[in-house]
Amino acid sequence: DAMVIQNPRYQVTQFGKPVTLSCSQTLNHNVMYWYQQKSSQAPKLLFHYYDKDFNNEADTPDNFQSRRPNTSFCFLDIRSPGLGDAAMYLCATSREAGGRGEQYFGPGTRLTVT
Amino acid sequence: TQLLEQSPQFLSIQEGENLTVYCNSSSVFSSLQWYRQEPGEGPVLLVTVVTGGEVKKLKRLTFQFGDARKDSSLHITAAQPGDTGLYLCAGAYSGAGSYQLTFGKGTKLSVIP
Repeated sequence: DAMVIQNPRYQVTQFGKPVTLSCSQTLNHNVMYWYQQKSSQAPKLLFHYYDKDFNNEADTPDNFQSRRPNTSFCFLDIRSPGLGDAAMYLCATSREAGGRGEQYFGPGTRLTVT
Repeated sequence: TQLLEQSPQFLSIQEGENLTVYCNSSSVFSSLQWYRQEPGEGPVLLVTVVTGGEVKKLKRLTFQFGDARKDSSLHITAAQPGDTGLYLCAGAYSGAGSYQLTFGKGTKLSVIP
């Protein structure tokens, strides 16, 4: 089945130790998004790629970086995780403009910072 | 900046009761999505409404888009414990060559058997 896959589902890292979260999709969608979601709150957009074009939200901390080496894969790098970065990280995809804005989410990666 | 007010934030009801969740904005959206999210999982798309006044039904769930495309509601009839979860509305607007979503803050629904 076509889907959005995130690995790992659970990640524990130490304060200040770099961590990378990965996302892959078989939907062949042009747009990929990374969201941060804290307990029972709405997802907060960090950045998105339209094809290879990177779009950073104004309030996304510099500590967060992203890479999209090809259509299928996208990575979220947290250079120096702090305790406040503990959250669920969601990857999502959508078709390019011309669709209806529907986004398809992966199952998320729960990040714990010790 | 597009804002989407969602209410209520929390809802705890008995099995069999009906409920309605509201999303309101001063902005016009090109479409509006409703998602349900279970603990530890990503949001799952339930429905997309596009046309002002549109009504869509998904089993016991009824979704309505306001005539002016600024508001939407989700009505659940005869709620069941399996309906428990976080319900998110999200309005879509076109920016930077792609669609971005403005999310409401979510409604955490608990259906008690």
